[in-house]
Amino acid sequence: SQELEQSPQSLIVQEGKNLTINCTSSKTLYGLYWYKQKYGEGLIFLMMLQKGGEEKSHEKITAKLDEKKQQSSLHITASQPSHAGIYLCGADRTGANNLFFGTGTRLTVIP
Amino acid sequence: DAGVIQSPRHEVTEMGQEVTLRCKPISGHNSLFWYRQTMMRGLELLIYFNNNVPIDDSGMPEDRFSAKMPNASFSTLKIQPSEPRDSAVYFCASSPNTGPTPYGYTFGSGTRLTVV
Repeated sequence: SQELEQSPQSLIVQEGKNLTINCTSSKTLYGLYWYKQKYGEGLIFLMMLQKGGEEKSHEKITAKLDEKKQQSSLHITASQPSHAGIYLCGADRTGANNLFFGTGTRLTVIP
Repeated sequence: DAGVIQSPRHEVTEMGQEVTLRCKPISGHNSLFWYRQTMMRGLELLIYFNNNVPIDDSGMPEDRFSAKMPNASFSTLKIQPSEPRDSAVYFCASSPNTGPTPYGYTFGSGTRLTVV
């Protein structure tokens, strides 16, 4: 069964708009990873969150992990066409460096 | 470093044929992972190795799938015989550590397999 739910499944936004992608688990996570994937390419590591309440930023992308470590959000400010792609959250459930992934969110940014 | 290198990038084969996918992890990384990505099931972990030893192969779908890591710089994923439902993108990834790592995994560019 799918243990990481991502929402929305797809998102189309106008360039310059802000957006948020969510990742939810029914169980406590040891580590939460965000990746970006462009079509036909591999996954690019964005950020890793481990502590409840943690927040990290890289350029215009901010990721947060809730206090219970069961939900994470990825927020993009002032989106650009270069942000387009598939965003995947991955989680380390057992603490054994064994990631499983959500189904992804396909982001389209319209110039 | 050239990153995780996978070959071939694309493979088209006929049903029943043997397929071998190859992966060279980043030098110094001691964990290696094989994933399969499809539209229906997303990204699934097939098997992972630590220090060349298979740790968890519970994601391998059937006995037709096998994976080896004869040394720290090379791994193969073999499908024999291949079936159309094996069509997917297969990714290899490597990581420097066991346990939660702030570095994430480094993924290869994937092998797109089409079985006709």
